[in-house]
Order: sequence, then structure tokens, then C-alpha cells
Amino acid sequence: GQQVMQIPQYQHVQEGEDFTTYCNSSTTLSNIQWYKQRPGGHPVFLIQLVKSGEVKKQKRLTFQFGEAKKNSSLHITATQTTDVGTYFCAQSKTSYDKVIFGPGTSLSVIP
Amino acid sequence: NAGVTQTPKFRVLKTGQSMTLLCAQDMNHEYMYWYRQDPGMGLRLIHYSVGEGTTAKGEVPDGYNVSRLKKQNFLLGLESAAPSQTSVYFCASTTGLAGAWEGTDTQYFGPGTRLTVL
Repeated sequence: GQQVMQIPQYQHVQEGEDFTTYCNSSTTLSNIQWYKQRPGGHPVFLIQLVKSGEVKKQKRLTFQFGEAKKNSSLHITATQTTDVGTYFCAQSKTSYDKVIFGPGTSLSVIP
Repeated sequence: NAGVTQTPKFRVLKTGQSMTLLCAQDMNHEYMYWYRQDPGMGLRLIHYSVGEGTTAKGEVPDGYNVSRLKKQNFLLGLESAAPSQTSVYFCASTTGLAGAWEGTDTQYFGPGTRLTVL
């Protein structure tokens, strides 16, 4: 079945350092969504990528969808303490399919 | 506009007890979902509903039942709670317009219910 992998599982960075998390799928995807969950909170939608090779930016966050539509990355430039949380990718094989969440990458930022 | 709400926020059960978790949304969304979240395992889909009166199984449906009698409400029931069901439960909803374009509906999550089964 469809498998979603995210690496790393945990990342501790000094405030101001960059951070990247990777999401990989065993199958070609229709799209990828990224969510952020603050400690004690609920997942909140960040962005969706649909096109092969697509790159989208939100302030210090850069999201990329692989050319083969099997992987994606989230890069945060100059992390801040407000970036702390777990970042999940969510995948679906087609736009009609259920969304499968990855295990998440937990980011800690040391002030 | 409250979005997605969940009741209760916390609950402690003894093994064998039953309970119902309530999810309500005021966005007129067609689709609703129940997930459980365990450390290191992300969100796993328990059951979902694509409309009033319909339900379907997700990845981990065993030990749970659901009902969608009204469009705005989605109930998750545990008939005989087990310690393995200790988890944080999230409800989510989407518009149900998936398929109209390449993308997938954004999921709007409730605040979660933290359940402990002793």
C-alpha cells in the first residue's frame, strides 16, 4: 500500500539556523499538502503542491514538489522560536483518494 | 464561525467502558474524518464520511463505530474501551469538492480530544 516517509523524525536547531524536512512516497502522487502542529495544538494547513517541480514560498518557508511527484521538501530559512512544532506532509494518490499523513518531523528551536 | 469543535477535550475511561466523542462543524462541509494521533505515528484515519447518512472505514477502524445522522455532526463511539485506544483524537472536515481540480481539499481540524484508557 501507499507509504509515507518523513525524515528526519526530530531536528534541534539553534535559532537563526536553517531547517529542512523531506517527505517521500512509494507511489506517484496527485498532490502533497503540508501541515504544522504546534505543541498541544491541532494540525493547521500550510500549503498544497500540485504540479511537478512546483516551488512555493511563504515568507521564510519554501516548499518544493519533486519532478517525479514522489517527494517533497519544506525548508525554513533562519528559524525562529515560533517555528517550533511538528511538520506533517499529507499525500493522496488522486484528488479523490483519502489523505495519508506522514509521521511528521518535530522541530525544536534553541533560543 | 466556530469551525470544527470537539467534545469532550479530555476523558479518562476504565477498560471496558464505552463513550462517544462528538465532532461538530459549522462550515457546511460535506466530508468529515476521525483520526487518532500517537507519538511517532502521525495521524491515522479511523473512519470518515462523505455525506450525511454515510460512513466508511479508514486505516484503523477496529474497535470504533461512527455515525453521521446530521451533516454538521460526526460521532465516534468506543463500545468497549481498551488501553490501546489511549490516544489523541482529532476530527477534521473538508468541503468535499475534491476532484474538481488536481488538488485535494484542505482539512480543517478540531482542537482534539485526549483520551486515556486505564
